[in-house]
Amino acid sequence: EIVLTQSPDFQSVTPKEKVTITCRASQSIGSSLHWYQQKPDQSPKLLIKYASQSFSGVPSRFSGRGSGTEFTLTINSLEAEDAATYYCHQSSSLPWTFGQGTKVEIK
Amino acid sequence: EVQLVDSGGGLVQPGGSLRLSCAASGFTFSDYSMNWVRQAPGKGLEWISYISSSSSTIYYADSVKGRFTISRDNAKESLYLQMNSLRAEDTAVHYCARDTVIYLWGQGTLVTVSS
Repeated sequence: EIVLTQSPDFQSVTPKEKVTITCRASQSIGSSLHWYQQKPDQSPKLLIKYASQSFSGVPSRFSGRGSGTEFTLTINSLEAEDAATYYCHQSSSLPWTFGQGTKVEIK
Repeated sequence: EVQLVDSGGGLVQPGGSLRLSCAASGFTFSDYSMNWVRQAPGKGLEWISYISSSSSTIYYADSVKGRFTISRDNAKESLYLQMNSLRAEDTAVHYCARDTVIYLWGQGTLVTVSS
C-alpha cells in the first residue's frame, strides 16, 4: 500500500498569504496524484488532478506541482473561503490512498 | 444536473447488516467506474471499494474485504454497498464517488454501528 504523508497537519494563515502543502508518497506514483478540498459538513471537491492540472471552475490561485514522490499544493493569496481541510489522493495503484489531511485556518 | 445521491445509512448493532445505495443522474452512469469512500467522525478519507463500469473488476480495502460487497445496476443507474458483519470501526459517513480521479462525490450517508 502506498502511504501518503501530508505536511503540515495544520496551518493558520492570514488572508492574502501564500499557503504551501506538501504530500510525500512512500514510493513513486508518477503524476497520479490529486488534491481535494473539504469544508465542514460538505463532500470533498476536486481541485487539482494528475499533480498539476487544474479542474474546471477552480480558482486560479490554486496550483499543483510535483512528480514521483513529492508533490505540492499552493494557494496564492489566500481568501477567507479557502478555510478547509485539503487532502491528496493517489490513483497509481490499488488500494487508492489519501493523505491524512491538512487543515487550513484563517487568522 | 450531474449528481450522486447516497442513501441507506442508519444505526445498526455490531454484527448487523446494512445496504447503501447511490443514485446517479445527469450523466451516462454506465461509462464510469465507481467507488465507495468513507470518513469516520473527525477523521480523514478512506477508500474502501472500486467497481469498473461493466462490473468486471472489483477491489476492496483490506479493512472491509470479506464483509462488504459492491455492485451496480447500470439500467437503474445505481451503485450499492452491502455491508455485513458491521463493527464499531465502520462508523463513518460513506460517500459514493465517480471515477478514478474523483470528479464527483455523493453527499454521503452516515452509518453508525453501536449497541
